Amino acid sequence: EPEVTQTPSHQVTQMGQEVILRCVPISNHLYFYWYRQILGQKVEFLVSFYNNEISEKSEIFDDQFSVERPDGSNFTLKIRSTKLEDSAMYFCASSRDRVEKLFFGSGTQLSVL
Amino acid sequence: AQTVTQSQPEMSVQEAETVTLSCTYDTSESNYYLFWYKQPPSRQMILVIRQEAYKQQNATENRFSVNFQKAAKSFSLKISDSQLGDTAMYFCAFMKAGAGGTSYGKLTFGQGTILTVHP
Repeated sequence: EPEVTQTPSHQVTQMGQEVILRCVPISNHLYFYWYRQILGQKVEFLVSFYNNEISEKSEIFDDQFSVERPDGSNFTLKIRSTKLEDSAMYFCASSRDRVEKLFFGSGTQLSVL
Repeated sequence: AQTVTQSQPEMSVQEAETVTLSCTYDTSESNYYLFWYKQPPSRQMILVIRQEAYKQQNATENRFSVNFQKAAKSFSLKISDSQLGDTAMYFCAFMKAGAGGTSYGKLTFGQGTILTVHP
């Protein structure tokens, strides 16, 4: 069964550094998403992306965050200047169209020191 | 804004028995979807079951079924014949349906319930 692939599985960075989290969505999917889960808290929506532009974003997704689909297969989340509170598990997800079934990757655990 | 509440932080069940996980939600929307996701220790989010709000019939997927009470805004998950592999965190989630019955991929999650299946 096709999977959403995320790399790396763990990333450690220093506060203030830029970090890029990478995702390879399922190949025939057109809608892409990022969610995050701070340890012990709820999974939270960050952003949805379609047709090379952001469809919707949450309050969390401020100017420090950006997303990009640099080629036909990758979908990235960039955090420009990481803060301690950005430490979380970041999940990428994709869907074939604007339907309700999202497929999630295994996540990238980001630790900001 | 929508809210999803799971009032049971932890549950446990013996292998082969049945367990029910509770979920309530609050919304002013009339058209929406509800989901249960499973997150095993690997932390991958796996879709367990989905319910369309406009359907009165409760969704079932093999050993998993839901009790959807729209008026009460309740959406519980029943796991029958529990297996050791069912041990995981279970999240209830809500998604608003957009115009024409389509959605925008924005899930609102509950706090999660840790389910442990004992041999």
